[in-house]
Parts: sequence; structure tokens; C-alpha cells
Amino acid sequence: NAGVMQNPRHLVRRRGQEARLRCSPMKGHSHVYWYRQLPEEGLKFMVYLQKENIIDESGMPKERFSAEFPKEGPSILRIQQVVRGDSAAYFCASSPPDRASGANVLTFGAGSRLTVL
Amino acid sequence: QKEVEQDPGPLSVPEGAIVSLNCTYSNSAFQYFMWYRQYSRKGPELLMYTYSSGNKEDGRFTAQVDKSSKYISLFIRDSQPSDSATYLCASSYSGAGSYQLTFGKGTKLSVIP
Repeated sequence: NAGVMQNPRHLVRRRGQEARLRCSPMKGHSHVYWYRQLPEEGLKFMVYLQKENIIDESGMPKERFSAEFPKEGPSILRIQQVVRGDSAAYFCASSPPDRASGANVLTFGAGSRLTVL
Repeated sequence: QKEVEQDPGPLSVPEGAIVSLNCTYSNSAFQYFMWYRQYSRKGPELLMYTYSSGNKEDGRFTAQVDKSSKYISLFIRDSQPSDSATYLCASSYSGAGSYQLTFGKGTKLSVIP
């Protein structure tokens, strides 16, 4: 009964390179969310996706960041031309398609820690 | 003013103590209030959530929400060394926007044997 799987767990990139973070949701979950945790900051919502659809990307930086959740395969968060300020832990969460209660209970993965040199 | 404020600690208590963790929030539209536990280098794990005001108990953990004062609390009874972690409070709207959790920065708790 695997939970939310994220890889890589740790990623080091030099300024200007690209970072790709992958997330496979829990079995039976069809909604994926990405959150970012900057050093000394709380987790911040970035984007909400369903299969082949971006539902809400209001938390994504306007440039260099993109996300997808294709019909087959994991969700991918892509950061182009990384800068030092992108160094953070990126968490993926998932939730089932139907909620029994009003709360949206998110299950988080262990995170991908990006370090930009 | 941040929407969810949380004292980062660190907080250190002896084993068996009662722990009180607190947050305040500013957005009156928040309806759901959660507590997550995050061990070092791990993802947040949901402990419990509460809708609107009131108390909720689960074993040694009790969550309280007072919407009139916009105050969220988590109490841990008979604290154990395994409770040592960072505790994150979070709030969200109900309905369509409920997936956008607004988190506090977290309080780091150490329970000393």
C-alpha cells in the first residue's frame, strides 16, 4: 500500500539548469497538488492538477515553473533555469476523487529537496 | 500579517508532560483546521482536522478551534519521545477551495526522556 511517491528525494542543480520533480499519487487518488517549503517558511500551495488538466495554478511563479499530470505516468513539476532562490523542499500531495466529508484530506509524499548551487 | 501565525519554538518538554501548541489565523472565511506532524526530512502527516469551532479528541491528542478569537490549539497528553517532531497547523476554506491549505511555519517539539 504505497503512499505518495516522490523522486528524486534530493536533487542538486547549478544555476541555469533544469530541475524535474516527479510524483506518483496514492493508489485510487486522481487529484495531485504541489506545495513548496522554503527554508524557515511554511508550506505554500503551488498547483492543483487532475489527469491531463491543470485546475488551479494560482500559486505557481509566473515564469520558469510548469506542472503536468499526463494520462499515463507521474505528475511532473518542472523548473527551468533554476536560481538559488528555488532551493526548497517540494512536496506533492494527493487526494481521492470523491470526498466523504467536506474537508479535503491531503496525503503528502516525503518531498524532493532541491539545492541550487 | 500572515494568514496563519505559529510560534516556531523550539519547545522542549519532559516525557509525560502535557503539550500545548497554538496558532492564530486572520481569514474569517477559513472553515477547516488541521494539524500535521512532520518528522525530520519527511512529509507532513495529518493528525486530525476540525470543522468550524469545537473540540476533537483522538487518543492522546485534542484539537480545539475558537473561531471567535481565531485561535487553534493542539494538546498532547502524556507526551512521548516519539512525539518529537515539527507540528504544522493549517487552515482552508470549505467547498471548492478546500485543497488550498494555508500553513503556519510549524513548531518544533522535543520530548526529553
